[in-house]
Amino acid sequence: DSGVTQTPKHLITATGQRVTLRCSPRSGDLSVYWYQQSLDQGLQFLIQYYNGEERAKGNILERFSAQQFPDLHSELNLSSLELGDSALYFCASSADWDTEAFFGQGTRLTVV
Amino acid sequence: GENVEQHPSTLSVQEGDSAVIKCTYSDSASNYFPWYKQELGKRPQLIIDIRSNVGEKKDQRIAVTLNKTAKHFSLHITETQPEDSAVYFCAAKAAGNKLTFGGGTRVLVKP
Repeated sequence: DSGVTQTPKHLITATGQRVTLRCSPRSGDLSVYWYQQSLDQGLQFLIQYYNGEERAKGNILERFSAQQFPDLHSELNLSSLELGDSALYFCASSADWDTEAFFGQGTRLTVV
Repeated sequence: GENVEQHPSTLSVQEGDSAVIKCTYSDSASNYFPWYKQELGKRPQLIIDIRSNVGEKKDQRIAVTLNKTAKHFSLHITETQPEDSAVYFCAAKAAGNKLTFGGGTRVLVKP
């Protein structure tokens, strides 16, 4: 167990809908990363937060948004969902921006 | 921004043989290089990492080497076992920047 908790584990929804994925980092970790992994693909960086502030942005679609709350948990919001958004969404956390990152179990999103 | 290239994309080895995966990075400011192992349907797990102030690090059957001048680093797995079969990702990170992953290497260890 990495200590990073993601909910839900599985999510099935229809095209056009909106979903929210939640991530609780390891206790004390200030940095949260979100990654998207499509079937048999690599880890595509979406966005990083550090202590509540957006730190870095990757190829995140405008339909996607995220935030990190004062208690350091983070949410990734995906709207106007398309079939191609079906993927595993991973959250990772690290104590600081220069330390190792630990991944949660992921949320498997299926858009039908 | 940082760009990490990883080769090969697939690697098939006989049990007991060695496996080597190579990565190159573009940002000379990168100073942290972790390696992750991902089994099917599971989360990536950190298996070893190296910082720019060392050239090599070893942990039992796995080792990582770093050449900062050439901007490449490698993962070496010796005496491979079937449980080593997985996808391996390298990554690079500069201080204060995001963790950028390579495309992954699917390793298959044949008994």
